[in-house]
Amino acid sequence: DTAVSQTPKYLVTQMGNDKSIKCEQNLGHDTMYWYKQDSKKFLKIMFSYNNKELIINETVPNRFSPKSPDKAHLNLHINSLELGDSAVYFCASSLGGDWVETQYFGPGTRLLVL
Amino acid sequence: GQQVMQIPQYQHVQEGEDFTTYCNSSTTLSNIQWYKQRPGGHPVFLIQLVKSGEVKKQKRLTFQFGEAKKNSSLHITATQTTDVGTYFCADNTNAGKSTFGDGTTLTVKP
Repeated sequence: DTAVSQTPKYLVTQMGNDKSIKCEQNLGHDTMYWYKQDSKKFLKIMFSYNNKELIINETVPNRFSPKSPDKAHLNLHINSLELGDSAVYFCASSLGGDWVETQYFGPGTRLLVL
Repeated sequence: GQQVMQIPQYQHVQEGEDFTTYCNSSTTLSNIQWYKQRPGGHPVFLIQLVKSGEVKKQKRLTFQFGEAKKNSSLHITATQTTDVGTYFCADNTNAGKSTFGDGTTLTVKP
């Protein structure tokens, strides 16, 4: 069983569209994250949720809206997609409650905006 | 905010040569983690260092945490083609928020 799963794996869409990426973890973790990895492989945190509550919100356009229906799921909705949104988006999870935490990453969603 | 500088950005080696990547911070780190991302894959946790001057080994990989806890290194002895990928250090000093270095992408020529 995959510990952290994301759907879809690939997403090709037109500029201006709205799209969602879903993430689920079956590790029983309390904390989940969204990262963006650009073409240079720089990995930047976007959001962090602990037990369905937003705890980290980096400087991300408000076109990006995370939603956590329960602690096992963290979805990312993107409105009015722009060319610069093309990247690989990784979901991750960690145990939570301890500052020394290992993060488990999902396989990534490769988003291409045309 | 907390920044972790990682060098070099790219390293090309001949199979059998050694490889080292370095992470540096201007402030003291509580801990540092290392991740490996294979081409087309996702970051996978390798190890975590917490103590000042700590050294840990995993087969051909040696991880060090500086005495002042401001720098760390990952050294691979006698690289193999299976070592290719991007190696990231990550500072998890602020709970719930990891700051990743920019990564070092290693290519190994057989």
